[in-house]
Amino acid sequence: NAGVTQTPKFQVLKTGQSMTLQCAQDMNHEYMSWYRQDPGMGLRLIHYSVGAGITDQGEVPNGYNVSRSTTEDFPLRLLSAAPSQTSVYFCASSYGTRYEQFFGPGTRLTVL
Amino acid sequence: GESVGLHLPTLSVQEGDNSIINCAYSNSASDYFIWYKQESGKGPQFIIDIRSNMDKRQGQRVTVLLNKTVKHLSLQIAATQPGDSAVYFCAEVGGNEKLTFGTGTRLTIIP
Repeated sequence: NAGVTQTPKFQVLKTGQSMTLQCAQDMNHEYMSWYRQDPGMGLRLIHYSVGAGITDQGEVPNGYNVSRSTTEDFPLRLLSAAPSQTSVYFCASSYGTRYEQFFGPGTRLTVL
Repeated sequence: GESVGLHLPTLSVQEGDNSIINCAYSNSASDYFIWYKQESGKGPQFIIDIRSNMDKRQGQRVTVLLNKTVKHLSLQIAATQPGDSAVYFCAEVGGNEKLTFGTGTRLTIIP
């Protein structure tokens, strides 16, 4: 199993540009989530999904969209990038919130 | 509101000694708690979890203690090794079904 994969590993955007961060898992997990991690801080939940076709907002959803058309994939879209979105983004999957979360390697995003 | 905090942002421990990392939580409705380890440049890695109907749970070289009376969680690492150097996060799940992370404690092992 590849586990949780994320692409790209690094990305630089200009203010106003849009892009999609990809996340995929091959463990047949129903629960998937996106977090951002800023320097010296913990992880903050952006969006999550409890299964295909179901998504919900986390703690910091503004400026991000998600969709879950398949069990395997959970892309995160930045609609119009802002410098405040400079961060490291982690995708995670699990059987549910009360189970071990498996994290991807992260995407380091810089918005200029 | 819900919050998960840590008593100490950094901790330095002599190699071979035991480490104790503490965490306070404020949501008395939380019923599931997890400790994660994050090494530099990597995603968080699950260490151990505990449910609210337990006070203690042991793994390999790690023990998690839960004191619901004072809303306190701790992670004990026995005989710390250089590979234990990392940032450790506690996290909780409450009634809103969302996983909330603390800010983390950086553990440094002194040779």
